[in-house]
Amino acid sequence: DGGITQSPKYLFRKEGQNVTLSCEQNLNHDAMYWYRQDPGQGLRLIYYSQIVNDFQKGDIAEGYSVSREKKESFPLTVTSAQKNPTAFYLCASSRTGQGADTGELFFGEGSRLTVL
Amino acid sequence: AQSVSQHNHHVILSEAASLELGCNYSYGGTVNLFWYVQYPGQHLQLLLKYFSGDPLVKGIKGFEAEFIKSKFSFNLRKPSVQWSDTAEYFCAVISYNNNDMRFGAGTRLTVKP
Repeated sequence: DGGITQSPKYLFRKEGQNVTLSCEQNLNHDAMYWYRQDPGQGLRLIYYSQIVNDFQKGDIAEGYSVSREKKESFPLTVTSAQKNPTAFYLCASSRTGQGADTGELFFGEGSRLTVL
Repeated sequence: AQSVSQHNHHVILSEAASLELGCNYSYGGTVNLFWYVQYPGQHLQLLLKYFSGDPLVKGIKGFEAEFIKSKFSFNLRKPSVQWSDTAEYFCAVISYNNNDMRFGAGTRLTVKP
């Protein structure tokens, strides 16, 4: 079935360690996104990518890094520089352009990261 | 970049009451507008969307939203809520120029049976 797969679902990490969250899609979407969801703050955009080998910072990119070497994959690394990394992370994808279906996001199940 | 404001953080209603959730955005260019819903323990899913044409759009489960361009608003409505509508609702805006999708802080709706 077509969709977005995020892994791992739950992750624990010690302070000072980097961790990489995986996001893979088989929807043939050009655009991919990473959001962070915190209670009362909605979804805040970390990074997004409209095309392979290109990505842009969102509102809260500090302490995070991404890569987009393949269309299907958009991994997010939470670095030790991120001051408050404990959160729920959501990956999404969408078509690009200006057609009727563009902009609709399809979400993964999310990854919950806890820093001990 | 555009930003989105949702005025209500938590709304509590009784079944059969009418619902209106406010959403305003700030962006001068052309945008597409969305409402997403997240039921407890589930993925975010699309409730409805506006791209162009009739500013009153209808979505799933009896929800509708009206785009008022002059007010930069896209409020969500439902004439009669059900207990199963208990969820968190997010308004979102994407600009035509950069595919940069931004969400509001969300409104938690609790419907009492």
